[in-house]
Amino acid sequence: AQTVTQSQPEMSVQEAETVTLSCTYDTSESDYYLFWYKQPPSRQMILVIRQEAYKQQNATENRFSVNFQKAAKSFSLKISDSQLGDAAMYFCALTGNQFYFGTGTSLTVIP
Amino acid sequence: DTGVSQNPRHKITKRGQNVTFRCDPISEHNRLYWYRQTLGQGPEFLTYFQNEAQLEKSRLLSDRFSAERPKGSFSTLEIQRTEQGDSAMYLCASSSDLVGTQYFGPGTRLLVL
Repeated sequence: AQTVTQSQPEMSVQEAETVTLSCTYDTSESDYYLFWYKQPPSRQMILVIRQEAYKQQNATENRFSVNFQKAAKSFSLKISDSQLGDAAMYFCALTGNQFYFGTGTSLTVIP
Repeated sequence: DTGVSQNPRHKITKRGQNVTFRCDPISEHNRLYWYRQTLGQGPEFLTYFQNEAQLEKSRLLSDRFSAERPKGSFSTLEIQRTEQGDSAMYLCASSSDLVGTQYFGPGTRLLVL
């Protein structure tokens, strides 16, 4: 069975500071992809960042970067220089032959 | 193209009634996915299509649920004999291939009274 676990239901960060959201997963597939999605309140889900499991290099997108540890099956998201607009639910997702999302981490940005 | 659209955005129905939701994917995307999301939870996969073929169905998709994508474009999700436990947000997403990024629609929020 494949699972995605986000152990931090809620996180908070001061504006302009850095925060890391955790995600661990389990899969028996050798070819898979990992994603972080953001869901602002009452708004639709949008992609934050994507990582191909076969790539060793960690993905980065502007202020967002991941720490992908394949052997440990860990995929954390780092948000640098946090902004008020980063406040949202963040979901870690695993796709291969099936599609799995974690339960989410609610991020609050404190002005 | 402005992205994935879903209609209606909200639906209130009485227990036992049938409901149908529609999803229009991004036009060049051949894969379409349906998810269910309850409050405080992540999306749960229901089913997906490649073109008009339904390739995978979750065990969450009971016999009361049926999905179609007749011409490989828009898709419909029908729930028959709705139950209060069906109350949730139903999300649709599309992608260009199996491992491509999924782009989500705004969802249809269903409330079964």
